[in-house]
Amino acid sequence: KAGVTQTPRYLIKTRGQQVTLSCSPISGHRSVSWYQQTPGQGLQFLFEYFSETQRNKGNFPGRFSGRQFSNSRSEMNVSTLELGDSALYLCASSSLGGTELFFGSGTQLSVL
Amino acid sequence: SQQGEEDPQALSIQEGENATMNCSYKTSINNLQWYRQNSGRGLVHLILIRSNEREKHSGRLRVTLDTSKKSSSLLITASRAADTASYFCATDEETSGSRLTFGEGTQLTVNP
Repeated sequence: KAGVTQTPRYLIKTRGQQVTLSCSPISGHRSVSWYQQTPGQGLQFLFEYFSETQRNKGNFPGRFSGRQFSNSRSEMNVSTLELGDSALYLCASSSLGGTELFFGSGTQLSVL
Repeated sequence: SQQGEEDPQALSIQEGENATMNCSYKTSINNLQWYRQNSGRGLVHLILIRSNEREKHSGRLRVTLDTSKKSSSLLITASRAADTASYFCATDEETSGSRLTFGEGTQLTVNP
């Protein structure tokens, strides 16, 4: 069974631009969560999607948004990028009723 | 925001020694999990302990949970150089549904 796939692996953007990150969960997993990881703030929860509906949301500004498609693939979008958005963005999937998260390798975003 | 704190922030030991990491959290939880992260990669689930359990073993891993003190510890016995990684505890709070809140992590270095 293939693991969680995140694309792209690395991204370099400039301030003010927007970016879209993609995540394909493990086959059969319908829940997808997104986390931001920075050296200063650690791992911060962004949002969770289940069956195309946002089920939970962290304390991030509205510039951070996401969606989930009918095949459970998920995207997150960050608009009007700021230097502080530079981070490793991790996607994780879980099975129905499961508490264990299966993480992808992440997308390393650098904002210049 | 971070749910808990991990102690120590960094730990350096020799191969064959045991490594102990501690995690404290603030609210009531459903369960507590430990994850491992190799540099710049995704997290890998190690072990889960439920709030009604006090101790759990998995291979060279031993986890304890003290809900009265809101703390947990992870013991890795007979450490190997390949155990070098960051270790995070994550709590599933009673009111947050499926969202995990991660600690700040312990960077473990095992010297050959």
